[in-house]
Amino acid sequence: QQQVKQSPQSLIVQKGGISIINCAYENTAFDYFPWYQQFPGKGPALLIAIRPDVSEKKEGRFTISFNKSAKQFSLHIMDSQPGDSATYFCAAQDTNAGKSTFGDGTTLTVKP
Amino acid sequence: EAGVAQSPRYKIIEKRQSVAFWCNPISGHATLYWYQQILGQGPKLLIQFQNNGVVDDSQLPKDRFSAERLKGVDSTLKIQPAKLEDSAVYLCASSFLPYEQFFGPGTRLTVL
Repeated sequence: QQQVKQSPQSLIVQKGGISIINCAYENTAFDYFPWYQQFPGKGPALLIAIRPDVSEKKEGRFTISFNKSAKQFSLHIMDSQPGDSATYFCAAQDTNAGKSTFGDGTTLTVKP
Repeated sequence: EAGVAQSPRYKIIEKRQSVAFWCNPISGHATLYWYQQILGQGPKLLIQFQNNGVVDDSQLPKDRFSAERLKGVDSTLKIQPAKLEDSAVYLCASSFLPYEQFFGPGTRLTVL
């Protein structure tokens, strides 16, 4: 049973455009929702994260929107740049149990 | 601050052979994770240590996979015997708090 569903699988955006990646979860015990960025040959690196007591968090060009009732959250990348081309993973974590579940990733390509 | 170190970076073996991976977490991080990342999928947790005790190994194929964390620092993950479906990137991560996980670069295993 996949507990975190991520879409789309791949995304192509023009430079300066907005990239949007969506995730949905099932387990209401999840209480921490990070997004990771992974470049080829590297491990994932934390990009931005949100807790369910807020509906939005913004850090520079990256914003997480969180809808607790719908059990959905999304990553918005504003003014997308070619350097943002990478694979993005959403995750959902039950911090009491310490368990993290990852989505299957979205490969983002930003065209110059 | 030094990151999570993993070795080897690449390994090619024949099926039914054994292989071992090593991980050195960030100094002071009590929690250590081993993930399996199959091409096109998100990381899947294999085992989680808190200091040198196992917190979660529910998804570890215990008939062929084993892991240990001696003295609560370095960790090794072993596969014996390897199967074709074990071909993946094996990621080690560590964390100080039950939130941000810091990942190593991974070991890419190819089983022929």
